Amino acid sequence: EAGVAQSPRYKIIEKRQSVAFWCNPISGHATLYWYQQILGQGPKLLIQFQNNGVVDDSQLPKDRFSAERLKGVDSTLKIQPAKLEDSAVYLCASSRDRGETQYFGPGTRLLVL
Amino acid sequence: AQRVTQPEKLLSVFKGAPVELKCNYSYSGSPELFWYVQYSRQRLQLLLRHISRESIKGFTADLNKGETSFHLKKPFAQEEDSAMYYCALSGNTGRRALTFGSGTRLQVQP
Repeated sequence: EAGVAQSPRYKIIEKRQSVAFWCNPISGHATLYWYQQILGQGPKLLIQFQNNGVVDDSQLPKDRFSAERLKGVDSTLKIQPAKLEDSAVYLCASSRDRGETQYFGPGTRLLVL
Repeated sequence: AQRVTQPEKLLSVFKGAPVELKCNYSYSGSPELFWYVQYSRQRLQLLLRHISRESIKGFTADLNKGETSFHLKKPFAQEEDSAMYYCALSGNTGRRALTFGSGTRLQVQP
């Protein structure tokens, strides 16, 4: 089966600009996750969807980050405006259901200058 | 609050030597524990989870609730084991999202 797809793979922007990331999960997977991984740290959950509903967004900086999962399939994560500290790898993962094995995408590496 | 601690950023061993990657956790309840691995230029992937009690690629990990640890072990390291290893936990109910440690880089030298 095809894995989790993410685009773009790399993005360089200046602070205060906006950026969007896209994720296509494995077909049939109900649960979708966005993680932020800052250099030298483990991934940190930003938001979790179950189908097209939000299960947990407690660690999402809602003043600048937003995410949606229309029709319970693809998802986009947006940052507006970006700050220097947003430089990180943004990982998307999906699983058949909550508690099932999570499959990760290749990530989007964001550099904010 | 749940937390995962991996005290070593880097572990360097010679091929054929035993390996132990340490993981300690704090969680008020019954957690599920996992080890994820990321090989060079590859995606993060599940190595093993404690409930399946499997040995994957020669690695094993035992959940010690008394010591709140889930150390990853392999008796004889191979060069292809060189990678970044992350310990993670989730609750066994509710949203079940993962909390990751900061990772340990394992280098297996020839």
